[in-house]
Amino acid sequence: QKEVEQNSGPLSVPEGAIASLNCTYSDRGSQSFFWYRQYSGKSPELIMFIYSNGDKEDGRFTAQLNKASQYVSLLIRDSQPSDSATYLCAVRGGADGLTFGKGTHLIIQP
Amino acid sequence: SQTIHQWPATLVQPVGSPLSLECTVEGTSNPNLYWYRQAAGRGLQLLFYSVGIGQISSEVPQNLSASRPQDRQFILSSKKLLLSDSGFYLCAWSVQGRENTGELFFGEGSRLTVL
Repeated sequence: QKEVEQNSGPLSVPEGAIASLNCTYSDRGSQSFFWYRQYSGKSPELIMFIYSNGDKEDGRFTAQLNKASQYVSLLIRDSQPSDSATYLCAVRGGADGLTFGKGTHLIIQP
Repeated sequence: SQTIHQWPATLVQPVGSPLSLECTVEGTSNPNLYWYRQAAGRGLQLLFYSVGIGQISSEVPQNLSASRPQDRQFILSSKKLLLSDSGFYLCAWSVQGRENTGELFFGEGSRLTVL
């Protein structure tokens, strides 16, 4: 049974600061890792994916992967109020889609 | 470009009534298709996935069923709804052949309230 664990929050971060979101997963065979953002009442939208150990940067977002520790994180630099949302971590290891965590609710305080 | 649509967006149904949610994908061929449910306070739960026409895999035993009558059409159904069927239903697609790496793209979602 694949499991993905996230702290549900809420995580409150001042505007302009770095938001750090964390995720652990149980299946060592997982090969790809995703971060989705979900605004209240809306469907999830993909922010980033990462396949290899290390960091991957895209604009204000950095995904970090450590397969040995089964740990994935997402850093959001220069946090904006529009970044306030629930962030879902997901892992993939086959045709049966993604296994999602329950999400971390992030609040950016102006 | 690829798009995914699902409908209806919102529906309120009495217990014991039937359900039909529909999803279509445009701009791609032979996608993998998925139905997820997100209940209040819970994560996204995979209900069904399909790798081709008529091929349905069920992840959770329940009173729901899915069908894929056409390559880019995925339907979620129930003959008799339960209160526990309430939730936010999401259709998603991914590229065939990228089962270990491909991301999922979600439709707008259908919010179901069973009374």
